[in-house]
Amino acid sequence: AQTVTQSQPEMSVQEAETVTLSCTYDTSENNYYLFWYKQPPSRQMILVIRQEAYKQQNATENRFSVNFQKAAKSFSLKISDSQLGDTAMYFCAFMKPNTGNQFYFGTGTSLTVIP
Amino acid sequence: EAGVAQSPRYKIIEKRQSVAFWCNPISGHATLYWYQQILGQGPKLLIQFQNNGVVDDSQLPKDRFSAERLKGVDSTLKIQPAKLEDSAVYLCASSSFREPQHFGDGTRLSIL
Repeated sequence: AQTVTQSQPEMSVQEAETVTLSCTYDTSENNYYLFWYKQPPSRQMILVIRQEAYKQQNATENRFSVNFQKAAKSFSLKISDSQLGDTAMYFCAFMKPNTGNQFYFGTGTSLTVIP
Repeated sequence: EAGVAQSPRYKIIEKRQSVAFWCNPISGHATLYWYQQILGQGPKLLIQFQNNGVVDDSQLPKDRFSAERLKGVDSTLKIQPAKLEDSAVYLCASSSFREPQHFGDGTRLSIL
């Protein structure tokens, strides 16, 4: 079975600073996808960034980037120039496409951006 | 494109009553998921459909929860009878092959 671990239940960062959220996973699969989702207090889950396991290049989306270490099974999210609107729960997720798009979520990290 | 639609947005019932939630996925998305999210926790998968077939319902409490996706499009999730511990947000999500999930706004269920 796949497991996704987020070891930081809560984090805080000063506005405009950089923060890194950690995620590790355990799998025997070689073909998979990794995602970071954001869930603001209004509760809709929003996709932040995605990474295909076969791609060595780390994904970036504006202020969001990942550090994907396949051998170490690590997938951290870096948020640069943090903004107040980044305050949310962040969930790391693993997807197995070959078994019908099964998703596995971590327990989440609550991020607070301090003005 | 239109997002995942869920209704109702909020529901308050008494324990032992029944309740149903509805979800309409993004057009063309073959896979539909129902999650239960208790406050402060991550989403827990209840059931996953591929078209109108069930991929995974291992965590669905089948003595009280049921779900269907008869025509492979929209889906309903029912709880009968409800217990206090069912108070949660029920999230619906959909995806197409190799693509990330898109979530609806969820239904917040309160059991009195």
